[in-house]
Amino acid sequence: EVQLVESGGGLVQPGGSLRLSCAASGFTVSSNYISWVRQAPGKGLEWVSVIYSGGSTYYADSVKGRFTISRDSSKNMLYLQMNSLRAEDTAVYYCAKTVGATHIDYWGQGTLVTVSS
Amino acid sequence: QSALTQPASVSGSPGQSITISCTGTSSDVAGYNYVSWYQQHPGKAPKLMIYDVSNRPSGVSNRFSGSKSGNTASLTISGLQAEDEADYYCSSYTSSSTVVFGGGTKLTVL
Repeated sequence: EVQLVESGGGLVQPGGSLRLSCAASGFTVSSNYISWVRQAPGKGLEWVSVIYSGGSTYYADSVKGRFTISRDSSKNMLYLQMNSLRAEDTAVYYCAKTVGATHIDYWGQGTLVTVSS
Repeated sequence: QSALTQPASVSGSPGQSITISCTGTSSDVAGYNYVSWYQQHPGKAPKLMIYDVSNRPSGVSNRFSGSKSGNTASLTISGLQAEDEADYYCSSYTSSSTVVFGGGTKLTVL
């Protein structure tokens, strides 16, 4: 059974950093495309980033240069390093197994990141 | 990376059909047959309903169907049921190798 479990969310001050983790089971992270998608409170879904099976990475303009997606094949884990955080980054962050970089077939339960002083 | 355009809300009575539109550009919806639709109930993670414009994942009711014409994709739900009340989001692959979502549509079953 495919499962994705995010962790690492919390309260952080503007300008601060946070690293989100996503533990995957039931499939191999390094053989798949994995995305991060976020949802601000009461708002819609926003695509954040994707890492391809081959290692290529892509980012939304809103986070480019501040966020870094990575994976650890030995642990079957995915990460999102978030730097220079802003209030507008406040959201629930979902880790998601992605098919061919085009659609998401499995989602985690999400982890809440709050950027506030 | 502008969001795809969806109506903020749609409504229908049980048994009726509704259609939600999703308008993009030549760099996303019109350029690729990679439009997906997701259903999200309050407090829950989204669920894939349609992928690659018109394909249904295993387990999704055949009351859900998708189509595309030019830069506009559509999700149609027939035989509306109370459990269909949720938020619906479209998404598309883009020419920048990114993905863009629509703003979301709240479906109310009257």
